[in-house]
Amino acid sequence: SQQGEEDPQALSIQEGENATMNCSYKTSINNLQWYRQNSGRGLVHLILIRSNEREKHSGRLRVTLDTSKKSSSLLITASRAADTASYFCATDPGQTGANNLFFGTGTRLTVIP
Amino acid sequence: GAGVSQTPSNKVTEKGKYVELRCDPISGHTALYWYRQSLGQGPEFLIYFQGTGAADDSGLPNDRFFAVRPEGSVSTLKIQRTERGDSAVYLCASSPRGEETQYFGPGTRLLVL
Repeated sequence: SQQGEEDPQALSIQEGENATMNCSYKTSINNLQWYRQNSGRGLVHLILIRSNEREKHSGRLRVTLDTSKKSSSLLITASRAADTASYFCATDPGQTGANNLFFGTGTRLTVIP
Repeated sequence: GAGVSQTPSNKVTEKGKYVELRCDPISGHTALYWYRQSLGQGPEFLIYFQGTGAADDSGLPNDRFFAVRPEGSVSTLKIQRTERGDSAVYLCASSPRGEETQYFGPGTRLLVL
């Protein structure tokens, strides 16, 4: 079964606006990662945040993590039409010797030019 | 350098047939993962290899699914007696030793008629 749930399922914004996506998960984690997927094919890693971190930035991306609430958020600032894609959070439970990822259901982001 | 490649990109087969899906990981990556993604869902973990051995095959849905990685590089996912419910995009990812980020291939879209 899927580890996480994303909210909202779909988001449509104007170019230049900020986009916020939320992720909730169920079990303890070693880290949480966000991936982007275009056209239902390969995923691209965006950012990783560890369980002992609360916030992380990478370019126009800002990720927060609240382990007490088992939730994370991804903020994309100053969105562009090229940001249109599906965004997934993925949790790594950190089992010894494995880094299997458990993905959420994804948020479909549409940025209107 | 070259990314993860998967062949074929699309595969159409008939119910009951046998299929093989191939994954070429990034050179030097010791970890290899297979995921399955159904329409509108996030990727679901199938199996993880560290080197030649399957370190975790807990995600394989049943014994019709099997995967090998005989030389610690290329991996083949094998599905016997395919069923219509096996239709999905099969994604492969690899990671270098000690790194938690996964690098995904473009996937193989399998359609079982």
